[in-house]
Amino acid sequence: KAGVTQTPRYLIKTRGQQVTLSCSPISGHRSVSWYQQTPGQGLQFLFEYFSETQRNKGNFPGRFSGRQFSNSRSEMNVSTLELGDSALYLCASSLGPLNPQNYEQYFGPGTRLTVT
Amino acid sequence: KNEVEQSPQNLTAQEGEFITINCSYSVGISALHWLQQHPGGGIVSLFMLSSGKKKHGRLIATINIQEKHSSLHITASHPRDSAVYICAVVSGNTDKLIFGTGTRLQVFP
Repeated sequence: KAGVTQTPRYLIKTRGQQVTLSCSPISGHRSVSWYQQTPGQGLQFLFEYFSETQRNKGNFPGRFSGRQFSNSRSEMNVSTLELGDSALYLCASSLGPLNPQNYEQYFGPGTRLTVT
Repeated sequence: KNEVEQSPQNLTAQEGEFITINCSYSVGISALHWLQQHPGGGIVSLFMLSSGKKKHGRLIATINIQEKHSSLHITASHPRDSAVYICAVVSGNTDKLIFGTGTRLQVFP
């Protein structure tokens, strides 16, 4: 079975631009979560989607948004990029939601975004 | 104070040593995850625990729900175990995954 794939793997943008990142989950997985990892803040939860519905959202400004399609693929969008948005963005897929069934999460390789 | 604390932050060991990484949390949880992150960023899920103990090969994870504490043990450590180990909990209130800051392990031959 193919693992979680993320595209693009690397991205350089300038301040003020917007960016869309894509995540394709493992076949059969219906839940996708997104995370941001920076040297200063570590790993932080962004969103969780299950069956095209956002179940949960982390403490990020409204510039961060996402969606999930009927085939479970997910995208996240960041508008009006700031220097502090430079980070590794990871997505993870699982059979079901984080809680209450607590399915194991499978992580993608990440998209490294640099904002200049 | 972080809701999930790990210790130590950095750990150096000689090949063959027994290693313990600790994780303490202050929130009610439904599950705890141990993750491994190698240079380059890729994250692998090692364990998911809601009670007791689990073992995969040389890795053992335990959790004490009453004490809000979990440990990850590596027996007979090897240089390929060098990585960052991250503890994460699923908050029972918010369903969100909350991460510790990670423990950087280096195992020398």
